[in-house]
Amino acid sequence: EDQVTQSPEALRLQEGESSSLNCSYTVSGLRGLFWYRQDPGKGPEFLFTLYSAGEEKEKERLKATLTKKESFLHITAPKPEDSATYLCAVLGGRDDKIIFGKGTRLHILP
Amino acid sequence: DVKVTQSSRYLVKRTGEKVFLECVQDMDHENMFWYRQDPGLGLRLIYFSYDVKMKEKGDIPEGYSVSREKKERFSLILESASTNQTSMYLCASEGVFTDTQYFGPGTRLTVL
Repeated sequence: EDQVTQSPEALRLQEGESSSLNCSYTVSGLRGLFWYRQDPGKGPEFLFTLYSAGEEKEKERLKATLTKKESFLHITAPKPEDSATYLCAVLGGRDDKIIFGKGTRLHILP
Repeated sequence: DVKVTQSSRYLVKRTGEKVFLECVQDMDHENMFWYRQDPGLGLRLIYFSYDVKMKEKGDIPEGYSVSREKKERFSLILESASTNQTSMYLCASEGVFTDTQYFGPGTRLTVL
């Protein structure tokens, strides 16, 4: 079965404490992997698209990487304003559709 | 920048009412989607559309219908609202050549 699993479900970090969020997938024929940021009560905001293993994308304190089984969203020296839920989604699989993970709630303490 | 707008941020309706949620995108995207998002369940696809007057059922279409009369506008209709349709509703659009979905701000619907 095509699946996307994000871990951890929730993560609390001190300001400046770097960490990584994981998105593992069992989807055949990956056509793209997407990262979104979602603030409470708002729609997801697009961050990155990754298409092939080995690809990396960066934006400010965020860096996304992709392997054949998982993606990581690395957060370097986070600030309180980085607090949000981060969603991962994968396009592909038997039905060639997008599948969303349930997200990681990230809280950065000042 | 892609702009996706939704008609209301918050909506309160009564059981049995007919509810219209509207979504408009300004990027000439072919594909549009309606999701609902609930705690612990994540995003679930209700309906999507690949072109004007075309619609396809997603994973949870029961109790919903859609309308796409113009390329930029995609409406979600709750024919007879029920309390289990209380949720956050998210619209997204996607260009044929981008594979990336861009979301609107969401509508928080409460059915009493």
